Amino acid sequence: KNEVEQSPQNLTAQEGEFITINCSYSVGISALHWLQQHPGGGIVSLFMLSSGKKKHGRLIATINIQEKHSSLHITASHPRDSAVYICAVTGATNKLIFGTGTLLAVQP
Amino acid sequence: NAGVTQTPKFQVLKTGQSMTLQCAQDMNHEYMSWYRQDPGMGLRLIHYSVGAGITDQGEVPNGYNVSRSTTEDFPLRLLSAAPSQTSVYFCASSYSRLGSLGYTFGSGTRLTVV
Repeated sequence: KNEVEQSPQNLTAQEGEFITINCSYSVGISALHWLQQHPGGGIVSLFMLSSGKKKHGRLIATINIQEKHSSLHITASHPRDSAVYICAVTGATNKLIFGTGTLLAVQP
Repeated sequence: NAGVTQTPKFQVLKTGQSMTLQCAQDMNHEYMSWYRQDPGMGLRLIHYSVGAGITDQGEVPNGYNVSRSTTEDFPLRLLSAAPSQTSVYFCASSYSRLGSLGYTFGSGTRLTVV
């Protein structure tokens, strides 16, 4: 079983929909990261969380340390949000452990 | 622009050839790392460095060497390329190993070994 699990693996939404991507982890962490990767592109860091909630534009990230769970929400989704969203945690060895990613396609 | 610069973006090698993937950052980050990304798997750590002159192995180090002679540069060397090393490689840096201020990733190198 992977130490970082994401769901769903694939997600198709219509423009304007509210989107939620989930991340569960099984190890102790010091931080959780949400990353974005466009097709054929580099990786961009969206959020780093150690507790609570962060918001940037239409993106919201939350984390529940007790439940070892985080969610990434996208409000008013747009086709340009189409990308792979990756959850990663900084574990006890201070190394990043990555989920396998969620492929999001937002259709106009 | 400040950031992490990776070169080349694409490379095709023959089995047995050697090459170096370049990674440079201009943010004075102490921590640098190399990952490989394969279909259906999360990124996996190859090697990392917590500062100039200090390197250590990650999860999948076999077949790769690194060095960190300066804070800015962290090249990854493939000693004798194998088809199993076909992958997309990413370099990343951060102020500290904890990544407390987040990580900056390069744009990636797509390597094919034939």
